[in-house]
Parts: sequence; C-alpha cells; structure tokens
Amino acid sequence: QQQVKQSPQSLIVQKGGISIINCAYENTAFDYFPWYQQFPGKGPALLIAIRPDVSEKKEGRFTISFNKSAKQFSLHIMDSQPGDSATYFCAAVNAGNNRKLIWGLGTSLAVNP
Amino acid sequence: EAQVTQNPRYLITVTGKKLTVTCSQNMNHEYMSWYRQDPGLGLRQIYYSMNVEVTDKGDVPEGYKVSRKEKRNFPLILESPSPNQTSLYFCASSSYVAGEADTQYFGPGTRLTVL
Repeated sequence: QQQVKQSPQSLIVQKGGISIINCAYENTAFDYFPWYQQFPGKGPALLIAIRPDVSEKKEGRFTISFNKSAKQFSLHIMDSQPGDSATYFCAAVNAGNNRKLIWGLGTSLAVNP
Repeated sequence: EAQVTQNPRYLITVTGKKLTVTCSQNMNHEYMSWYRQDPGLGLRQIYYSMNVEVTDKGDVPEGYKVSRKEKRNFPLILESPSPNQTSLYFCASSSYVAGEADTQYFGPGTRLTVL
C-alpha cells in the first residue's frame, strides 16, 4: 500500500497564485520529510525538507507546513510562476529501515502565464 | 561539478537482449540506488547499495541485477529485458555525512524501450 499519500495528482494555478500540495503518512518511524522537484527530461532534485521537530520551514517562495499529530505535511508555493511548472514529489525517510526514502506518487503542477 | 551520470540516455532494444545501464557519481557517496519511473506509479526503487560490495533489493527487483565493485559506479543490468521493463530509469546517490544524509542526488535518467 502507498505509505505516503499525495494529492492532488495534478494542479493548475494562475501566475501569482498559491500552489498547495498535500501529503499524508501513517508510519511514525518517519523522521525526515523532503520535497523533490522534477522538470521534464530531468531527474528529481531536492527542493526543501523538514524534520518533525518544527511545524514550518520556509525557503523563498516555498514553504513546508508540518502537522505531526495529523501526520500530514504540505508544500505551499507562493506567487507561483510559470517556471515552477514541474512534477513535485513528497517523500518520507524511515529512520528504522536503513533510512529508506518512501515516495508519494507525485503532483504535476502547471502554472499558467 | 558534482554530478551523477547515466549512460545511455536513450535506449531501444528487443526482448531478451542483455543490456547494461551505467551509473557513476563523483561525490564519494556511499549510498546509491536505482529507480524506475512510470506514469501514475511514481518512483519505485529497484535496488540499492549502502557501500562497495553491499547491495539489496528494493521494491521492484525482479528482472534486474546490480553490482557495486567500486564506490563511484553502480550499473544496472537487465539480462533478459521484457516489454514491461520499458520505463524511465534513474540512478541516485547520497552521503552518510551528518547533515547531508537523506538528500538524494539524481542522474538525468535513461529512457528504455523494450520491443
């Protein structure tokens, strides 16, 4: 079964709008939650990550919100730009399983000009 | 430049013809991994290696082999490819250095088509 559930599968946002992608997990052994960004024809690249001891992390226009009690975390992209159009993957690292990375299925984001 | 390289980038082959996709990293990373990416299925791990001569199965290892004879190289071998192995393949590496662990660096991908 999918250990990290990501939604929505696809998202269309107007330039300047806020893009929100959500992820949920069940395994309390997860202790690191990264987001990867993948442009067409490229490999995924780390965008931003958070550990469960904080509820929010911000880097430029990208923010992770983390709700430990609800086992949910989300990526917010403020002032979305056409250059943000990509596939976004959330993931979680299992501290107790060789630090294996468990992936969400991805969200295809399109930002219209 | 720190990078993970894969070759070839594109490959069309026929069922049963053995092939190898090479992966090399220049970051002295201990951990290396192979993924396949299919529409709607996200990234699925095929094999991983925690160091030289140490490899283990991921989630979808059937039909694949790997080896890790050198720290920098982690080739993926398909001894008898089948059409269901048509996919986009990524190699990734990461370090165990404190503060850097858990960040995986991905290669550019290999688009494989098996006819």
